Amino acid sequence: ELKVEQNPLFLSMQEGKNYTIYCNYSTTSDRLYWYRQDPGKSLESLFVLLSNGAVKQEGRLMASLDTKARLSTLHITAAVHDLSATYFCAVDWDNAGNMLTFGGGTRLMVKP
Amino acid sequence: NAGVTQTPKFRVLKTGQSMTLLCAQDMNHEYMYWYRQDPGMGLRLIHYSVGEGTTAKGEVPDGYNVSRLKKQNFLLGLESAAPSQTSVYFCASSFTTSGGAIAKNIQYFGAGTRLSVL
Repeated sequence: ELKVEQNPLFLSMQEGKNYTIYCNYSTTSDRLYWYRQDPGKSLESLFVLLSNGAVKQEGRLMASLDTKARLSTLHITAAVHDLSATYFCAVDWDNAGNMLTFGGGTRLMVKP
Repeated sequence: NAGVTQTPKFRVLKTGQSMTLLCAQDMNHEYMYWYRQDPGMGLRLIHYSVGEGTTAKGEVPDGYNVSRLKKQNFLLGLESAAPSQTSVYFCASSFTTSGGAIAKNIQYFGAGTRLSVL
């Protein structure tokens, strides 16, 4: 059974600071997704990481994938309040892009 | 720009009642999914469909049934609701890029249905 664990579960940080969210998973997969969810809203795709060593960046967010370590990171640079949301990683366990197992989410709160 | 539309947005049921949640997508996606999201947890897959007329069980299918009679619609049914089914339900749909590119299969989500079973 594939398990996906994120840490921390909750993160409160000051604007301007840097931090990293970690996503560990238990079985082999070359594909990992990051999603963002605002309170009471749906999930929005942020990044798709399709191979070992993949790195994607959008604004203050950068995601990377190490399939050998079964680890993905989401790095936040110089956080701003607008980044406050819950972030989910999801691992594709059929390697065809159809079946995702989600982590429990990291709730990020950025304080002014 | 409708994307994935879920109805209803909110519903309160009594134990034992039945209901159907409707998901409609206008992106001509082949794959559709139903998830549930419980407080402090990630999404868990209930059922999914890889095309019109096909359905399959996900991680937590018990107590739910689904149908995909038309490509654009995916229905989730609760025949006899239980308090344990109180949750937020999300529908999603996806495509797979083709033409030699590595399949991305990004899932696009609806706004969710908040269901309470008393």
